[in-house]
Order: sequence, then structure tokens, then C-alpha cells
Amino acid sequence: QKEVEQDPGPLSVPEGAIVSLNCTYSNSAFQYFMWYRQYSRKGPELLMYTYSSGNKEDGRFTAQVDKSSKYISLFIRDSQPSDSATYLCAMSARTGTASKLTFGTGTRLQVTL
Amino acid sequence: GAVVSQHPSWVICKSGTSVKIECRSLDFQATTMFWYRQFPKQSLMLMATSNEGSKATYEQGVEKDKFLINHASLTLSTLTVTSAHPEDSSFYICSAAGGMGQGITYEQYFGPGTRLTVT
Repeated sequence: QKEVEQDPGPLSVPEGAIVSLNCTYSNSAFQYFMWYRQYSRKGPELLMYTYSSGNKEDGRFTAQVDKSSKYISLFIRDSQPSDSATYLCAMSARTGTASKLTFGTGTRLQVTL
Repeated sequence: GAVVSQHPSWVICKSGTSVKIECRSLDFQATTMFWYRQFPKQSLMLMATSNEGSKATYEQGVEKDKFLINHASLTLSTLTVTSAHPEDSSFYICSAAGGMGQGITYEQYFGPGTRLTVT
């Protein structure tokens, strides 16, 4: 079993839809949770960063962490064609220094006109 | 802020030659840099972690003699693929974490990646 599971998609939605992206994990030591967006042939771009359980909102993006269920989500409201990309969840245990991230496989999102 | 650059963005080399890829943090001091490789439609695989002035720590299964990593300054790390073979063709991405302004941040910021093709 992988430490982090993520549905690879592809996920196709119409413009304006609400998108829900999810990851589950098995390592209870993970405390820091991130979502990255990666366009084709580009490096990942940090979208959201959360610590422990709870919600965090930034514009059209909302990240949720439920540590009791070992489940994290990223919601995208009013999706746009420019949101079409691969979304990677990542997490770390963090020990006070920059620690290595464990990534999900990524979900490919396609927002259509 | 938090800009990381990589050079070159794309390189083609012949089998048996060596290739050096540079990773630079442009607006912060990167105390730690990470090197990843990514195959098409797959996630990032961590190759090694390097701290400025120290030897890199390689992940299991990554040949340290083949993938030479140097982190000589707080803004520059290099990855050299020695005696490259076609199976080394991949997308290599670095990330950096470290100090920004008055504080320290441990979030990783990624470079744009380098596409290596070995013929």
C-alpha cells in the first residue's frame, strides 16, 4: 500500500463547476499538507499549505484536512480552463528542518468550455 | 518571492557523456535543496536531499556515483548525470527551502524542471 493515494483521473469538468480533489494517506506522522499544481512540462507550483486538521481558503481554492480520517481535499470553485493541470498532494512529518515530501501520483484535471 | 530557476531547461546528450544541471534560488537562501525525477504521467520521485556545505543524502536505489550532487552555496545546487544512458532520460526537477526575509520557511519551492534526453 502506498503511503499516499490519489486518484489519477483524468477528471473532466465544465467551466464554472466546483472541483473536488482528494488524497488519503496511511502515515499518522504527517502533519503538514500541501497541494501543488503542475502544468505540462513545468515544475510544480505551491497552491495551498496547511498544518494539522482544519480548513484554509485562498481565493477560489479551499484546502481541508481531516487527520482523524487521514483524508485531505482541495476544492476549486468557479473552475476555469486555466485550471487545467495536474494537481499533486504532498505531505511531510516535518522535524524542524525542511523535510522530504511524500507525493500523491497527481490528478489530471481538464476544465472544458 | 520564492523563485527557483533551473538551467538548462532542455538538454540532449549522447550516451556515455555527462550532463550538469543547475538549480538556483533567486530571492532566498536555500539551506536545503531536493532533486527529483519525474517520468511521463507519473509523480515526482525524490532522488536526494542536499544541505549547503554537506554531502547529499540519497534515496534508496539512487546511485550516488552516477548522480553527483553539489550544494556549494546557499543559492546554487548542481546535479551531474555521469555516463548518461537512454534510461536516464527523464524530467529532473529541483526544489529549495530555506530563509526568506526575517524568517525561515520550510516550504519547498520548485524549479521549472530540466528535460534530459540521452540518445
